[in-house]
Amino acid sequence: NFMLTQPHSVSESPGKTVTISCTRSSGSIDSKYVQWYQQRPGSSPTIVIYEDFKRPSGVPDRFSGSIDGSSNSASLSISRLTTEDEADYYCQSYDSNSLWVFGGGTKLTVL
Amino acid sequence: QLQLKESGPGLVRPSETLSLTCSVSGDSIHKSRYYWGWIRQFPGKGLEFIGSVDYTGSTFDNPSLKSRITMSVDTSQNQFSLRVTSVTDTDTAEYFCARISGSGSYYRYYADHWGQGIWVTVSS
Repeated sequence: NFMLTQPHSVSESPGKTVTISCTRSSGSIDSKYVQWYQQRPGSSPTIVIYEDFKRPSGVPDRFSGSIDGSSNSASLSISRLTTEDEADYYCQSYDSNSLWVFGGGTKLTVL
Repeated sequence: QLQLKESGPGLVRPSETLSLTCSVSGDSIHKSRYYWGWIRQFPGKGLEFIGSVDYTGSTFDNPSLKSRITMSVDTSQNQFSLRVTSVTDTDTAEYFCARISGSGSYYRYYADHWGQGIWVTVSS
């Protein structure tokens, strides 16, 4: 099976843009869709990106997703950062048997 | 507004069976376009997909847990359930139930609504 590797933590200033990576260890990143979940402290995860780059209704367009075949990774970018964006972010994809695979999560600090 | 809520014991003895129920309100569980899933989060915050069930009772299980888990659905009560047998301390986690939505192949499905979670400790 494969792993999805995320940086343990990232930090950025309010108003700036941050990008969180999610690197697939084997197999092509574009072989299965990637989702991104946001988990604020003390709350359940919520979906912010599905099918690589699609935003569910209610998610601001400051959130965007992309796939890069050359680095075999997916990325979540958040622009115009606010303190409300402070959270853990998890990427998720599927293996060949449809089993969900999660990344280890990235803690975003906005300071 | 769709709401999911987990219920069950917060403490389970090693080797016993963990039973959790997810009550769904605001939508019918009897819809073919959805799956109803269980995901757990370990103390170190890693997430693990446990499995999903549809309204017919058809399940998709995590192979690493398959021999120990049973999922079922009760459409009359608008609930679905999870049982994990022979628990050990490695099953200590927060357990979330979720609605899994999408279209087409299962690879296009994702958890669009989550319950608040229930913390389960396995300890004697």
